[in-house]
Amino acid sequence: EAGVTQFPSHSVIEKGQTVTLRCDPISGHDNLYWYRRVMGKEIKFLLHFVKESKQDESGMPNNRFLAERTGGTYSTLKVQPAELEDSGVYFCASGGQGGEQYFGPGTRLTVT
Amino acid sequence: GQSLEQPSEVTAVEGAIVQINCTYQTSGFYGLSWYQQHDGGAPTFLSYNALDGLEETGRFSSFLSRSDSYGYLLLQELQMKDSASYFCALKRSYNTDKLIFGTGTRLQVFP
Repeated sequence: EAGVTQFPSHSVIEKGQTVTLRCDPISGHDNLYWYRRVMGKEIKFLLHFVKESKQDESGMPNNRFLAERTGGTYSTLKVQPAELEDSGVYFCASGGQGGEQYFGPGTRLTVT
Repeated sequence: GQSLEQPSEVTAVEGAIVQINCTYQTSGFYGLSWYQQHDGGAPTFLSYNALDGLEETGRFSSFLSRSDSYGYLLLQELQMKDSASYFCALKRSYNTDKLIFGTGTRLQVFP
């Protein structure tokens, strides 16, 4: 069974540009989560999808971030326009029962 | 709000036993998970406690005391490959799967 995949693995963009991150969850997992880790700090929750619906988006930092999950399969996270403080590693996870979430390898975003 | 505190770094030698503590403050508690993350890799689920006591999974065990707002991860028969960061993560209620992560503990295992 394939794990959670994320694309791209790395992205370097300039301040003001747009970046779109993609996450493909484990097949059949209705729950999909986005987290990020800013340098030196803890992993922080961004939002949670159940199928195509946003269950909890309390962690989204501001309206420059837009997440979608059309059709309840893969998800995208767009940052527009990117700011320096958006740099970090963005993780996607799927699953969720019993506190067990399966994480992808992450996308390392660098905004210069 | 919620917060989870862990030691920033722990060192040990191969074959030893190490305990990584996690203390938390939260207005709601449903369960505590532990994740391992190697440099550049994905956080990997290790263990979950919803009730007080010890959960054993091979060389790794996790303990929870809800009355003390405290848990720990115990790693036995340490191997070099166990060198990684370890995170405790809180699940606040049945209705939310959102995980609140601790600050992480970097474990270095020496030969």
